[in-house]
Amino acid sequence: GAGVSQSPSNKVTEKGKDVELRCDPISGHTALYWYRQSLGQGLEFLIYFQGNSAPDKSGLPSDRFSAERTGGSVSTLTIQRTQQEDSAVYLCASSLVGFRTGTTIGAQHFGDGTRLSIL
Amino acid sequence: AQTVTQSQPEMSVQEAETVTLSCTYDTSESDYYLFWYKQPPSRQMILVIRQEAYKQQNATENRFSVNFQKAAKSFSLKISDSQLGDAAMYFCVMDNAGNMLTFGGGTRLMVKP
Repeated sequence: GAGVSQSPSNKVTEKGKDVELRCDPISGHTALYWYRQSLGQGLEFLIYFQGNSAPDKSGLPSDRFSAERTGGSVSTLTIQRTQQEDSAVYLCASSLVGFRTGTTIGAQHFGDGTRLSIL
Repeated sequence: AQTVTQSQPEMSVQEAETVTLSCTYDTSESDYYLFWYKQPPSRQMILVIRQEAYKQQNATENRFSVNFQKAAKSFSLKISDSQLGDAAMYFCVMDNAGNMLTFGGGTRLMVKP
């Protein structure tokens, strides 16, 4: 597709279950980012991929969170043993290159997010 | 550490009028980028305008312009001739780590017809 695609759009699950969120970046974009947006808040950086590697995992809030990227394309964010505080919108972004976000080639393009609700 | 602060949780403006959204930030870097993003109910983050810190000239994009005061670490967004479609959450954003964006808490803009 032309833009960043995220699925599912909405996810409701019970506390304690595992969830998997998917992000399809723009074709050819080497960098991919995950952010979390809690209700009424700005975005919190979670993790960044350059190709299939994640040089910076410092934003992941706990060891229940993990992410991978395969083939330099699709990424999945997995949350194990979900808690109610995990409820948020999870946004994915991609960019052609993983630096100089203020430039055309470094600009981050965002998907529509996955709204995760933990009951 | 870098921080971005938006002190106005909500703002409202009459259609066709002008509104200014405030933002202050903190960084020890001299080279960085600042952005304003718009997030309508569709949730997608849309880039409105960007400013490079080394450029003194304020950025302008059609009805959107910024007032960048580097010494004061202030970066406000002015929306002229406000339209109903401008209603959204607006985030002031900074990048000084090369790729990681730091977001402010957001300002909800309401446009009254």
